[in-house]
Amino acid sequence: KAGVTQTPRYLIKTRGQQVTLSCSPISGHRSVSWYQQTPGQGLQFLFEYFSETQRNKGNFPGRFSGRQFSNSRSEMNVSTLELGDSALYLCASSPFSLSSYNEQFFGPGTRLTVL
Amino acid sequence: KQEVTQIPAALSVPEGENLVLNCSFTDSAIYNLQWFRQDPGKGLTSLLLIQSSQREQTSGRLNASLDKSSGRSTLYIAASQPGDSATYLCAADQTGANNLFFGTGTRLTVIP
Repeated sequence: KAGVTQTPRYLIKTRGQQVTLSCSPISGHRSVSWYQQTPGQGLQFLFEYFSETQRNKGNFPGRFSGRQFSNSRSEMNVSTLELGDSALYLCASSPFSLSSYNEQFFGPGTRLTVL
Repeated sequence: KQEVTQIPAALSVPEGENLVLNCSFTDSAIYNLQWFRQDPGKGLTSLLLIQSSQREQTSGRLNASLDKSSGRSTLYIAASQPGDSATYLCAADQTGANNLFFGTGTRLTVIP
């Protein structure tokens, strides 16, 4: 099975712009979670989608949003970029079944640099 | 809010040594706990998942334990190899809703 894929792998944007990141989960996985990783704050949960519905959201401003499509692929969007949004954005998928106990599998991440 | 701590922040050991990485969490009501490794600039690789009802899990040279009552988990690596050099992260899933609370990680260096 192919792993979690994220595109693009690298992005450079300027302050005030917006950006969209994409995540394709492992085939058959219906849950997709997004995380932000920075040297100062470590890994922080952004939001989680299951069956096209956002079920959980972390403590991030409304500039951060996401969605999930019927094929479980997910996108996250960041509007009005700030310098502090520079980070590695990681996507994780999970089958979300009792037998898997929600083991999460991560993609390689998208490195976003805001200038 | 769940807080996860990992000690030490960095560890260097000679090749062949057995080692233990520690993870502490403040809220013992967890659904599961996962251990990951992260190589520089890369994503996370899942190593072991311990369900809340389990005490330990083993995979090859890795053994992870969970003590919910004390809020601790350990990752034991046997016969360390240079290829084990990476940052190791533990993460607690509080509710089973795929919202992981991560520790700050332990950067492991295995010296040949």
